Amino acid sequence: EPEVTQTPSHQVTQMGQEVILRCVPISNHLYFYWYRQILGQKVEFLVSFYNNEISEKSEIFDDQFSVERPDGSNFTLKIRSTKLEDSAMYFCASSEEGGGAGGELFFGEGSRLTVL
Amino acid sequence: ELKVEQNPLFLSMQEGKNYTIYCNYSTTSDRLYWYRQDPGKSLESLFVLLSNGAVKQEGRLMASLDTKARLSTLHITAAVHDLSATYFCAVDKDDKIIFGKGTRLHILP
Repeated sequence: EPEVTQTPSHQVTQMGQEVILRCVPISNHLYFYWYRQILGQKVEFLVSFYNNEISEKSEIFDDQFSVERPDGSNFTLKIRSTKLEDSAMYFCASSEEGGGAGGELFFGEGSRLTVL
Repeated sequence: ELKVEQNPLFLSMQEGKNYTIYCNYSTTSDRLYWYRQDPGKSLESLFVLLSNGAVKQEGRLMASLDTKARLSTLHITAAVHDLSATYFCAVDKDDKIIFGKGTRLHILP
C-alpha cells in the first residue's frame, strides 16, 4: 500500500541551526501539506503546496520556514534558524485532491524535532 | 477564521458502553474528517464526510455530519479496549484542513 515517508524520524539540533525535514508523498498525489504537533497536543496546520507553489499558510509559517519540491518526489520543510519552541513532531501529508475537493489526507509517520 | 471545537477533550469509559464525541466548527464547510492517533504514532484516517446528512460506519464507530448545524458526531458502540486512542475531527476550508484539539479516549477493561 502506498504511503508517505518522512526522514529523519528524529533530529536533535542546537538553537539557531538550520533544519531540513524531508518527505516523499504518495506518487500520484498532487497536494502536499506540513503539520506540526507539540507533545501530542493539537495538530497545527503549517502550509499547503500545489503545483509548485504555496496554496495556503498559517501564521506559524513565518519567514523562518520554507518549503520546496526540489525534484519529482521529495517535498521538504526548512527551518532556517530553529528556536526552542520549534520542538515538535512534524507531519507531512499528501492528498490526491485538494481540501476544497474533499481530499483525504494521508500522513507520514512524522519527524520529531528537538531543539536544544 | 475557521475554528474547530471538540468535546469532550478527555473521556474515560467502561468497555461495552456507548458514547458520542462532538465536533463543532465555525464556518461553512461541507467536508469533515475524523482521524485516530495512537500515542507516539501518526494520524490514521477513519472517515471522510462529504455532504450534509452523510453517515459512515466502520466496526464500532459511526460518524455523521450535519452541515446546517456545523456539527459532526463520532459515536462509539459497545466500546472495546482497542479503541483507546485520541480522535481528531478536521474541517477543510479552501486548501487548509484545520484540526480540533482531539478527544483522548480511554476505555477501561
